[in-house]
Amino acid sequence: AQSVAQPEDQVNVAEGNPLTVKCTYSVSGNPYLFWYVQYPNRGLQFLLKYITGDNLVKGSYGFEAEFNKSQTSFHLKKPSALVSDSALYFCAVRDLSNTGNQFYFGTGTSLTVIP
Amino acid sequence: EAGVAQSPRYKIIEKRQSVAFWCNPISGHATLYWYQQILGQGPKLLIQFQNNGVVDDSQLPKDRFSAERLKGVDSTLKIQPAKLEDSAVYLCASSPRGVRRYEQYFGPGTRLTVT
Repeated sequence: AQSVAQPEDQVNVAEGNPLTVKCTYSVSGNPYLFWYVQYPNRGLQFLLKYITGDNLVKGSYGFEAEFNKSQTSFHLKKPSALVSDSALYFCAVRDLSNTGNQFYFGTGTSLTVIP
Repeated sequence: EAGVAQSPRYKIIEKRQSVAFWCNPISGHATLYWYQQILGQGPKLLIQFQNNGVVDDSQLPKDRFSAERLKGVDSTLKIQPAKLEDSAVYLCASSPRGVRRYEQYFGPGTRLTVT
């Protein structure tokens, strides 16, 4: 069973507008949720995480994400998009429901911010 | 601090040949991960080490893949023999101890092409 889903392959937003990149998850127990960003020709970079506590978490570069337990979602948001935010974004979840300690990544969402 | 180092950056081999990848994590990071990222997909965790012990290798194809982290620092991932479907980017990541222990820091990856 897939543990994390990113329903949009591509998101386009105008510079200065708010952006949202969607993520839903399916794990047993309490989820540990993460967002990573991959800029062109660069490695994956950690943006933010939710482990416990406030449902709204803040991360690097002005990004934030909201954990919604009832909707099993962890959408990434930014109030005002920059052209430099154009990149590939991955949602990830840590799943302890099996005997191991697995991390699952979504398939990624390509964000394009249009000047 | 220096980032995660990986070598080689690119490798082209023929099917049924063997190949090895090397990773040196960020100094002091106890946890080391190897991922396989096929084009158009999210990273897939192959194996996770805590110091020199394996935490999870449930998605490692053990008939052809092996990995070791003998001294709890750098690590090697080997494929023997390679198949066409092993063509991917192999990512190494590491995590620190303490409150940031679930944040993964990725290297640039090794792009493997199997012909």
